[in-house]
Amino acid sequence: TQLLEQSPQFLSIQEGENLTVYCNSSSVFSSLQWYRQEPGEGPVLLVTVVTGGEVKKLKRLTFQFGDARKDSSLHITAAQPGDTGLYLCAGAPGGGFKTIFGAGTRLFVKA
Amino acid sequence: NAGVMQNPRHLVRRRGQEARLRCSPVKGHSHVYWYRQLPEEGLKFMVYLQKENIIDESGMPKERFSAEFPKEGPSILRIQQVVRGDSAAYFCASSPNQGGQGGSAEYFGPGTRLTVT
Repeated sequence: TQLLEQSPQFLSIQEGENLTVYCNSSSVFSSLQWYRQEPGEGPVLLVTVVTGGEVKKLKRLTFQFGDARKDSSLHITAAQPGDTGLYLCAGAPGGGFKTIFGAGTRLFVKA
Repeated sequence: NAGVMQNPRHLVRRRGQEARLRCSPVKGHSHVYWYRQLPEEGLKFMVYLQKENIIDESGMPKERFSAEFPKEGPSILRIQQVVRGDSAAYFCASSPNQGGQGGSAEYFGPGTRLTVT
């Protein structure tokens, strides 16, 4: 079974703190996507990483794709309450077109 | 959500009834995907369609579930004789190109929340 495992499952932090969430697999992915989902809404795409070792920045969010293209991380600097949400990683293993999703990391940032 | 429309947003059905969920992709997108999300879980792939073709339905139960994406009109996910276990949020996504391998991101709709009583 090709799984994307996300950790931690739940994270509650104070405003201003930094955090990192992880997405790991034993399979190789041609690309990985990160989404954020808010209650009652569909996931919204944040970024796609394609090249092994790639680092992408989106304001206070930094995304990294592992060299072997089996894992990825999302680092948030100086978290804000507006960052609260469910963060999902997703990808199509082995170059296929069927996307699988991790179970997500639920982030809560307290003011 | 990049223009993917789903309706209805909420649907209540009694056991044994039929549920029809509609999805209009982003204009110009010819690839549609359906996912199911149970509470506190990630999204599970159900089916991938292009116009008038089912490309991959490996995530969709063989019984009672069907999907179509006609030449004209929205994509439809149909669940016949619903049971309580079908209660979930159903999301549709679309992409301009084949998803996955090419890194073609999928744009999601707001979902339809199905409740079976």
